[in-house]
Formats: sequence, C-alpha cells, structure tokens
Amino acid sequence: GAVVSQHPSRVICKSGTSVKIECRSLDFQATTMFWYRQFPKQSLMLMATSNEGSKATYEQGVEKDKFLINHASLTLSTLTVTSAHPEDSSFYICSAIYDGLAGPTSYNEQFFGPGTRLTVL
Amino acid sequence: RKEVEQDPGPFNVPEGATVAFNCTYSNSASQSFFWYRQDCRKEPKLLMSVYSSGNEDGRFTAQLNRASQYISLLIRDSKLSDSATYLCVVNGGSQGNLIFGKGTKLSVKP
Repeated sequence: GAVVSQHPSRVICKSGTSVKIECRSLDFQATTMFWYRQFPKQSLMLMATSNEGSKATYEQGVEKDKFLINHASLTLSTLTVTSAHPEDSSFYICSAIYDGLAGPTSYNEQFFGPGTRLTVL
Repeated sequence: RKEVEQDPGPFNVPEGATVAFNCTYSNSASQSFFWYRQDCRKEPKLLMSVYSSGNEDGRFTAQLNRASQYISLLIRDSKLSDSATYLCVVNGGSQGNLIFGKGTKLSVKP
C-alpha cells in the first residue's frame, strides 16, 4: 500500500510552453502533499506544500505564479510549470502524507512519487 | 550554516567494508530524523528512522546525538547493492515537510 504515482515520468518541451505534472496517491487519502525539485548533484529542495481545498504554501524564492499548484481532491495534486525556461529543467518529485497516521504536529511518513524529469529546450 | 549538512563524499569502498555516514542539523527544535536512500535518477526511499536510543536494522545502525545535533549511519559488511546516495533528512515545519541533506554517494566495488 501507500503508493504515489506521478505523470508524466519524463517530459521534453519547448521554452515558453506550460507543463502539467500530476501526483496521485493511489490507495490512500492525502490532505497534504509536497512538491520538491532536485537539480543534478543537489539535494531535494521543497518548493511548496499543497493542501487539499486551500492555497498552496510556497517556499521563499519559489514563484507562485510560475509554479501553479492545485490540490482539488484528497488523491490528486498538480504542478503546472508555466512559460517554462531551460533553467526550469529539473527532477520534480512529489510526496504525500498518509492521512491515517498521527496528528498534524507530528511526523507522518511521506511517500514519494517516482519523479518527473523535465527538460526545457 | 546549512540546515542539514553531510559528508561531501563520494565514498568508494570494497565489498564487505564498514562505512560511516555523518550528518549535522542546525535546527535544535527538530523532532524527527531519517536516512533515505536515493538511487540514480530515482525518488528517495526511506531507509530507516533515527531514534535517540539508536536503532539497528540488520547491517544498518543509526545513531542520534541531540546535544551535538548529529546523526550517523553505519553500514556493515557492505554489498554491491548498497551503492546509492544516502540522504540525511530532518523534519521541517509543522506541516511535516522534510529537509534533505545534499547526500553522500556510496560506491561499493567488488
């Protein structure tokens, strides 16, 4: 159980286009999902926290108008990279917290999606 | 000071060697600590949580020193399949986000 999927796994697009990445919790509900980005040989960096039914919380330095996050259901969060540029090329990974575990102030295990590799030409 | 710092690596060791990974974290209020493993071009996977009393899982032993804000991972009798990048991870804000170290790459050679 506790499987998270991402789609697409890989995308190549032209500069200026928008790309949507989906993150789904397949067999559990997730009120909270996270979006991370990882550049080559760098650590995963949190971009934003996605909460079902409310606006996402963005980390400092992440443009909310460029990286649109929608968490419309308890099993789906989407990240749209608008007007993508080559510097947005990266590995985007989502994770989901299983709602069934302990309360919001304690750690709930995160389950990671397999990631989406974005290449902007 | 970075929030989570790890040995820069890489570590290149022969099969059967014992390998130690070290990590320090800056936020003394952190409550949860983990070691994740990440294979090349894959998502990170939880290896083990780290508890104050120290914990062991087969060949893997994790230690936490809250006073020094230091976390360690020891791999004994390393296998070829242990080759990966090992990430030290600490919980972040109240919503449960994680803060990742840069990772230490391990290559186990025959």
